[in-house]
Amino acid sequence: ETGVTQSPTHLIKTRGQQVTLRCSSQSGHNTVSWYQQALGQGPQFIFQYYREEENGRGNFPPRFSGLQFPNYSSELNVNALELDDSALYLCASSFGQFYGYTFGSGTRLTVV
Amino acid sequence: SQELEQSPQSLIVQEGKNLTINCTSSKTLYGLYWYKQKYGEGLIFLMMLQKGGEEKSHEKITAKLDEKKQQSSLHITASQPSHAGIYLCGADGSGGSQGNLIFGKGTKLSVKP
Repeated sequence: ETGVTQSPTHLIKTRGQQVTLRCSSQSGHNTVSWYQQALGQGPQFIFQYYREEENGRGNFPPRFSGLQFPNYSSELNVNALELDDSALYLCASSFGQFYGYTFGSGTRLTVV
Repeated sequence: SQELEQSPQSLIVQEGKNLTINCTSSKTLYGLYWYKQKYGEGLIFLMMLQKGGEEKSHEKITAKLDEKKQQSSLHITASQPSHAGIYLCGADGSGGSQGNLIFGKGTKLSVKP
């Protein structure tokens, strides 16, 4: 049974560009959440997908968008990158309610 | 909105000593999760607590949720260098449904050999 894998591990982008981050969920998990973790802070919830439908969204602007595919892998897209978007982006998958979430190792995004 | 406050923010202990990390919520906790994070890496699930008064243990780590379900503690017995990292508490922010997790800012633990 594989865990949650994220790609790429590191990324450097220029302000104003667009970026796509990818997440492969743990086998059998139908729920995936994305988090942004700034340096020295706890992760902040961006949004969650359950069976390909968005199932909750945190306080992030619309330029943060996502997709979940039939195989439950997912993408996080960020448009018009800003310097403050520099962070570790984590995805986590779960069977759902009352189960622990399995986190990936994250993608470190640096916006210059 | 719900907020989680962790204390202390950082902790340095001598190997072999016991320690406790606290997590206090501004609202009733429906599900409380403890995670460990190595610097710049993903989170490792430790334990989940749901019921008031619940206590769970795994190896040398014990987590408790108080009766009122607004505070949790994580206790490490006989700490080892392998326990070093950032400990995060997370709460189900949607009242028990498949919601998001709200995290505290974390407690950074260093264990001196």
